[in-house]
Amino acid sequence: EVQLVESGGGLVQPGGSLRLSCAASGFTFSSYAMTWVRQAPGKGLEWVSAISGSAENTYYADSLKGRFTISRDNSKNTLYLQMNSLRAEDTAVYYCAKDHSGTYPSYFFDYWGQGTLVTVSS
Amino acid sequence: DIQMTQSPSALSASVGDRVTVTCRASQSISIWLAWYQQKPGKAPKLLIYRASTLESGVPSRFSGSGSGTEFTLTISSLQPDDFATYYCQQYNTRGTFGQGTKVEIK
Repeated sequence: EVQLVESGGGLVQPGGSLRLSCAASGFTFSSYAMTWVRQAPGKGLEWVSAISGSAENTYYADSLKGRFTISRDNSKNTLYLQMNSLRAEDTAVYYCAKDHSGTYPSYFFDYWGQGTLVTVSS
Repeated sequence: DIQMTQSPSALSASVGDRVTVTCRASQSISIWLAWYQQKPGKAPKLLIYRASTLESGVPSRFSGSGSGTEFTLTISSLQPDDFATYYCQQYNTRGTFGQGTKVEIK
């Protein structure tokens, strides 16, 4: 059974940093691209970042302007999102998601974690 | 960036009704469109990809159609478990979601 479990969310002050983790199990982690998608309270879904199975290629939403960094440790079956210079508008539930197709992102997702809430507020 | 626009934003329907949700892309995305269902407090669930391919395990009352810029999600006979918010997503260029359509009980 595929499982994705996010952690690391919480309350952070504007300008602060946070690192999210997503522990994966039930599939060959290194064979699939992975993605972060966020959802602001009461709002829709926004694609944030993706990474290829080998970690060789990373992709980001233009709106992030270099503040976020996606990475993965295939030996630990874990996906990460390092978030710096956080702003109030980054407040959201952050989901990790498994790419449907394979090593390189196809940008649609067949399994999602339960999400972790990031709140940016003073 | 490709923009996705869903209509309606919300609808009220009864169990057994046929329900249709429309999604329009700001430019052609061929058939690279997915539909997701999301219930309150839960993660989205993939229903359909490649515009009309049903994901494994999804009931056959769900169907998708369209290509280019206009797409539809149809639920042939609405069931109690189907009251949720539905999102379309283009994956022709990265991934962009529609704003969602909330299906409520009439």
